[in-house]
Amino acid sequence: AQKITQTQPGMFVQEKEAVTLDCTYDTSDPSYGLFWYKQPSSGEMIFLIYQGSYDQQNATEGRYSLNFQKARKSANLVISASQLGDSAMYFCAMRRPSGGYNKLIFGAGTRLAVHP
Amino acid sequence: DTGVSQDPRHKITKRGQNVTFRCDPISEHNRLYWYRQTLGQGPEFLTYFQNEAQLEKSRLLSDRFSAERPKGSFSTLEIQRTEQGDSAMYLCASSSDTGDSGNTIYFGEGSWLTVV
Repeated sequence: AQKITQTQPGMFVQEKEAVTLDCTYDTSDPSYGLFWYKQPSSGEMIFLIYQGSYDQQNATEGRYSLNFQKARKSANLVISASQLGDSAMYFCAMRRPSGGYNKLIFGAGTRLAVHP
Repeated sequence: DTGVSQDPRHKITKRGQNVTFRCDPISEHNRLYWYRQTLGQGPEFLTYFQNEAQLEKSRLLSDRFSAERPKGSFSTLEIQRTEQGDSAMYLCASSSDTGDSGNTIYFGEGSWLTVV
């Protein structure tokens, strides 16, 4: 069965520092996609970054990068130069590998607090 | 605003009443999804539409739940005879099936349901 595990219920970081949010996944399919979403208190799930299982390079989007270690089945999110506005819940998700459409399986999330 | 919009944002209802949520996806997106999120958890998949066709329903979607997308544009999610266990946030999302944009699923701000 496919599963996403986020072992850090909460993290805090000092403003302007970098922080890594952990995500491990379990799937037996060779083709899959991995996502990170940010959920502020307003509730909206904001797409941050995507990594395909066949992508050779780690995905980057501005201050966000994904540390993809396929053999370890990990897809950690790195946020560089943290800002106060980064305080939110962060969810790692995996796309169901077959069928083509984006049925996502989410982890339980990590609450990030950025301190000034 | 051209994102996914949901209405109402908040709904408080008495147990046993029916409620309906509406979702307007991004206009060019042909795929639409409903997810449910309870406190402290990541979202869970409920159902998926490709245009007007409902192609998958989760086992979480009991007989009291029905979703429609009659013209392949907006969608409604109705819950009949609500129970306290239905209290959650109901998230709608949409995506395209073309090219790289198909890798990105965009969520709305969610509809919070409280059953008292």
